[in-house]
Amino acid sequence: DVHLVESGGDLVQPGGSLRLSCPASGFTLSSCTMSWVRQAPGRGLEWVSSISAASSAGSTTYYAESVKGRFTISRDNSKNTLYLQMDSLRADDTAVYYCAKGDGYNPPCFDSWGQGTLVTVSS
Amino acid sequence: DIQMTQSPSTLSASVGDRITITCRASRDISDWLAWYQQKPGKAPKVLIHKVSRLQSGVSSRFSGSGSGTEFTLTITSLQPDDFATYYCHQYNIYSPTFGQGTKVEIK
Repeated sequence: DVHLVESGGDLVQPGGSLRLSCPASGFTLSSCTMSWVRQAPGRGLEWVSSISAASSAGSTTYYAESVKGRFTISRDNSKNTLYLQMDSLRADDTAVYYCAKGDGYNPPCFDSWGQGTLVTVSS
Repeated sequence: DIQMTQSPSTLSASVGDRITITCRASRDISDWLAWYQQKPGKAPKVLIHKVSRLQSGVSSRFSGSGSGTEFTLTITSLQPDDFATYYCHQYNIYSPTFGQGTKVEIK
């Protein structure tokens, strides 16, 4: 069974940084596109970032305009873990952040999700 | 970005009803359309991908149709467990985008 468990969410001041982690089990994380999707309190779903499956040419990263230049998605294949480094955090980054496994396409349909981790940006 | 517009935003229905949710894309997304169900405090769960392909383990009471820019999710014989929020999602190109959601409430 596919299992994703996000961690690293916390209360952080504006301008601060956080790193979210998402260890995966039940599949090889580097074999598919992996993504972060967030949901602000009481709001809908917003795609944040994706990293394509590993290939001989490497991987490609993608970012929403709202986080480009501030967030960095990465993957540690030896730990089968996905990360999201979040810098220069703003109040409107407050949300539950989900990691999501792709279905093999790129962009992917998100066929498995973690339970989410809450990031609160506030002074 | 491709905008996804769902209607209605809220839908009141009774157990046993047949309901339809519509999703319109701001431009042609071919068949790169998925539907998710989300319950309060829980992660979304994919129901349908590629417009009409039922995800493994999902009830056949859920079905999807459409192409290009207009898509529908239909739920037949609504069950108590179906009261939730539903989102469409286009994955034709980056940036992937979601509809704003349709909350299905008990009438």
